[in-house]
Amino acid sequence: NAGVTQTPKFRILKIGQSMTLQCAQDMNHNYMYWYRQDPGMGLKLIYYSVGAGITDKGEVPNGYNVSRSTTEDFPLRLELAAPSQTSVYFCASVGGSNQPQHFGDGTRLSIL
Amino acid sequence: GEDVEQSLFLSVREGDSSVINCTYTDSSSTYLYWYKQEPGAGLQLLTYIFSNMDMKQDQRLTVLLNKKDKHLSLRIADTQTGDSAIYFCAEGNSGGYQKVTFGTGTKLQVIP
Repeated sequence: NAGVTQTPKFRILKIGQSMTLQCAQDMNHNYMYWYRQDPGMGLKLIYYSVGAGITDKGEVPNGYNVSRSTTEDFPLRLELAAPSQTSVYFCASVGGSNQPQHFGDGTRLSIL
Repeated sequence: GEDVEQSLFLSVREGDSSVINCTYTDSSSTYLYWYKQEPGAGLQLLTYIFSNMDMKQDQRLTVLLNKKDKHLSLRIADTQTGDSAIYFCAEGNSGGYQKVTFGTGTKLQVIP
């Protein structure tokens, strides 16, 4: 059972570069989320989606974009990488009302 | 907005009980969760409790909820070195996009 799969696991970017963090789930979940985790700060919601074709901003969306063309995939795009975006990024999904979130293993991103 | 607070660090001796505390502000929370994060990994759901329950026990884990004081605790009996991790408290509601708010995490160190 794959669950939520994130790629890549690690990445180093230069300032100004762009990249896409991939997230895929095989549980047919409608709800998907992107979080960033900074040391001592818990998880902050970047973007979320309640189904294919529907996305919306979370607490900290600036500098990021998302798309949801299929139920399975929810990629996160950084267009112009900045040092402040150095963080660990987690993707999560939920199957339905009052269900707990399932997390991927994270992408550790450093921007130098 | 919603807020979830936890102490940052807890140290216990192997074999003792650990108690990790959490307070939250959202009185409309439907579920309260405890997640465990081991180094380099994603968040793993440990247990969760409905907001209309006072207690839930699952093997070595006991969750206590004081809804009046908005206080949640996780007790780990007979703590083992394998329990060393960061523990996140989270509160969620069933409205809209299944919003979940996470605490900053408590790092549990188990001393052999």
